[in-house]
Amino acid sequence: GENVEQHPSTLSVQEGDSAVIKCTYSDSASNYFPWYKQELGKRPQLIIDIRSNVGEKKDQRIAVTLNKTAKHFSLHITETQPEDSAVYFCAASPFPSSNTGKLIFGQGTTLQVKP
Amino acid sequence: EAGVTQFPSHSVIEKGQTVTLRCDPISGHDNLYWYRRVMGKEIKFLLHFVKESKQDESGMPNNRFLAERTGGTYSTLKVQPAELEDSGVYFCASSQARPPNGELFFGEGSRLTVL
Repeated sequence: GENVEQHPSTLSVQEGDSAVIKCTYSDSASNYFPWYKQELGKRPQLIIDIRSNVGEKKDQRIAVTLNKTAKHFSLHITETQPEDSAVYFCAASPFPSSNTGKLIFGQGTTLQVKP
Repeated sequence: EAGVTQFPSHSVIEKGQTVTLRCDPISGHDNLYWYRRVMGKEIKFLLHFVKESKQDESGMPNNRFLAERTGGTYSTLKVQPAELEDSGVYFCASSQARPPNGELFFGEGSRLTVL
């Protein structure tokens, strides 16, 4: 069935360093890849997304890259700050489920940024 | 504007009991989704409503789970009778348009513990 694998499950970095989280999806027809951030005790929130017709997208310190051939997409956070500490989830919108907006999520990555 | 609200935030019940979770989507959002995260695993799709109609309930685990959205406003998810493996965080999300054409907004989740 459709699935998304996310690695690593935990990631600890020093403040100011970069963090990279990687995801692999199974459905080659997937066309939409959002990333959600869930701070402790709060709701998951969309932080960035990318569509299958784009290879890279940036928004200030965060960027997402997509390799459709390899079915990989990654989240890059530069100059990490303590407030980046959270659980990050990648997701993919599989086809034909994409017409319902259903998302397939990865297992989550707990990012800890040490001051 | 109020976000997606869920009630209760935490419920502890014994195996065999019944629990009903409620979700109030953002006003005007026709699309309502239920997801579940079992300890440390991925956020898994349960079902999707458009107004009061179920569009996709392919993720519902079994017939112990019943979701309703009478009147097309708030939704309830009932688990009867609850089993140990039903423990997890149940997320509700809503959107005006289905992703990727609209952003998915999550609630803070209802944590269910079945003893």
